[in-house]
Amino acid sequence: EVQLVESGGAVVQPGGSLRLSCAASGFTFDDHAMHWVRQSPGKGLEWVSFVSWDGGRRYYADSVKGRFTVSRDNSKNSLYLQMSGLRTEDTALYYCARGGGLLDWFDPWGQGTLVTVSS
Amino acid sequence: EIVLTQSPDFQSVTPKEKVTITCRASQSIGTSLHWYQQKPDQSPKLLIKYASQSLSGVPSRFSGSGSGTDFTLTINSLEAEDAATYYCHQSSSLPITFGQGTRLEIK
Repeated sequence: EVQLVESGGAVVQPGGSLRLSCAASGFTFDDHAMHWVRQSPGKGLEWVSFVSWDGGRRYYADSVKGRFTVSRDNSKNSLYLQMSGLRTEDTALYYCARGGGLLDWFDPWGQGTLVTVSS
Repeated sequence: EIVLTQSPDFQSVTPKEKVTITCRASQSIGTSLHWYQQKPDQSPKLLIKYASQSLSGVPSRFSGSGSGTDFTLTINSLEAEDAATYYCHQSSSLPITFGQGTRLEIK
């Protein structure tokens, strides 16, 4: 079964840092691009970041550029999102999702990990 | 940035009804449009890819159509389990964007 499991969400103060992880199983991880997508409480979906299968290409939403860094370790079947300079507006449920490519569909999605930025 | 506008925002429907949700893009995106279903307290699930391509495991009552700027998700003979929020998503260009969502309530 293809599965994505996020972890690392927490309550953090504004300006703080956090590292999210996404563990993949059930498919050949290094054959696939990966994305992070977030959903603020009671709100819609916002794409955050993309990383290519080999980590060589990375793209970010303008709202997180310069503050978030996406990476992956194919030997561990894991995806990461290093978040710094956190703002209250970064409060959201963060999903990792397998991509068909950079500009393609997302399937499947993990269950999400909650990041709350609050003083 | 390509803006996706869905309509309606909310719809209350009865079982066995036919439901149509539309997604309009602010510029032409070909068929780079995908549909997701998100049930309460669950993560989104891919329903339709590239405007009209069906997926294994998705009930046949779900179908998609459209190209360019106007797209439609149709649910034939609605079932109670279809209560969810539906999102469209464009993958034509960065930044990747989503519609605001359409919440379906089953009467």
